[in-house]
Amino acid sequence: GQQLNQSPQSMFIQEGEDVSMNCTSSSIFNTWLWYKQDPGEGPVLLIALYKAGELTSNGRLTAQFGITRKDSFLNISASIPSDVGIYFCAGHDRGSEKLVFGKGTKLTVNP
Amino acid sequence: NAGVTQTPKFQVLKTGQSMTLQCAQDMNHNSMYWYRQDPGMGLRLIYYSASEGTTDKGEVPNGYNVSRLNKREFSLRLESAAPSQTSVYFCASKENSNQPQHFGDGTRLSIL
Repeated sequence: GQQLNQSPQSMFIQEGEDVSMNCTSSSIFNTWLWYKQDPGEGPVLLIALYKAGELTSNGRLTAQFGITRKDSFLNISASIPSDVGIYFCAGHDRGSEKLVFGKGTKLTVNP
Repeated sequence: NAGVTQTPKFQVLKTGQSMTLQCAQDMNHNSMYWYRQDPGMGLRLIYYSASEGTTDKGEVPNGYNVSRLNKREFSLRLESAAPSQTSVYFCASKENSNQPQHFGDGTRLSIL
């Protein structure tokens, strides 16, 4: 079945640093999604990408849909303490009702 | 905006007890989903409903049943709870096949 490899599994950074995480797939996706999960809450959508090569920003967050359609990355610039949480990538294949999720990147930001 | 509402938020059961987890969405979405989240395992799909009146198995359906009661509501039932079903359960919904899923805040279920 389809699998997503998300890396790194965890990151410990200082406030103000930039962060980068990525996902790679064994197969092609038509949509890439990035979610953030705060402790005790459900995942919240950060960015949705619908076209190969697409680069999209949401405030300090930037995500790209890889040109091969098998990968995506998420960058966070100038991190702040409220960026802590678990970030998930997810891929969606057209015609399927299901998302494939990465296992998450746990981000810790030290003030 | 309520979005996706899950009840209860917390529940403790004894092995062998039954339980229904409720999920309702107010976004007029067609598709609804149930996931479980365990440490180190990410989100795993239990069952989903692509439209009112249909349900399909996901990655880990054993020990669960679902009912798509109407367009708004999608319930998950554990007929005979087992300790291996201790987890955080998330419901999600989306409008159509090309749209992102939106998640509820989860039900934290412990089975002793």
